Amino acid sequence: EPEVTQTPSHQVTQMGQEVILRCVPISNHLYFYWYRQILGQKVEFLVSFYNNEISEKSEIFDDQFSVERPDGSNFTLKIRSTKLEDSAMYFCASSVEGNTEAFFGQGTRLTVV
Amino acid sequence: KNEVEQSPQNLTAQEGEFITINCSYSVGISALHWLQQHPGGGIVSLFMLSSGKKKHGRLIATINIQEKHSSLHITASHPRDSAVYICAAPLYSGGGADGLTFGKGTHLIIQP
Repeated sequence: EPEVTQTPSHQVTQMGQEVILRCVPISNHLYFYWYRQILGQKVEFLVSFYNNEISEKSEIFDDQFSVERPDGSNFTLKIRSTKLEDSAMYFCASSVEGNTEAFFGQGTRLTVV
Repeated sequence: KNEVEQSPQNLTAQEGEFITINCSYSVGISALHWLQQHPGGGIVSLFMLSSGKKKHGRLIATINIQEKHSSLHITASHPRDSAVYICAAPLYSGGGADGLTFGKGTHLIIQP
């Protein structure tokens, strides 16, 4: 069964460093999303991406964040200068169309020290 | 912007019991999602429904669009059903690449 894959599963980084989280969405999906979940809190929307551009973004998704689809398969989330409060589980998701069933990756646990 | 409320936050039940988790949302939507999150953190989509009822095995999801309310039921609950169950709705009305807003989740424990 097709699945969304995320790498790495865990990442530890020093405060102020740049990190890139990678996702491979399901191949025929057109809509891509990033969410995050701070430990013990609910999942929060970061950004949606369609047709090679950002469709929606939340107030969390500030200038420190960027997304890219560098080739036909990968979808990345970059955090330019990490802060302690960026420590969270980051989930990538994809869907065939907007507002259809979303398929989630297993997440990348980011720890900023 | 949609707000999603779930109840209960925690639920412990005995194996075999009928489980109900409730979800309400504030803005009219095109469809609602029920998701399951296991201790490892991964999220799995259980249902996406826009009206009436859907059934998958022992799981049943219902939605009342007029009342902006949905329920997830588990029949003949089993310890392997123990997980966090999350309700999610489109942030706005559900058009285009609308992201989801999530409830806080219901932490379900089924004891043998």
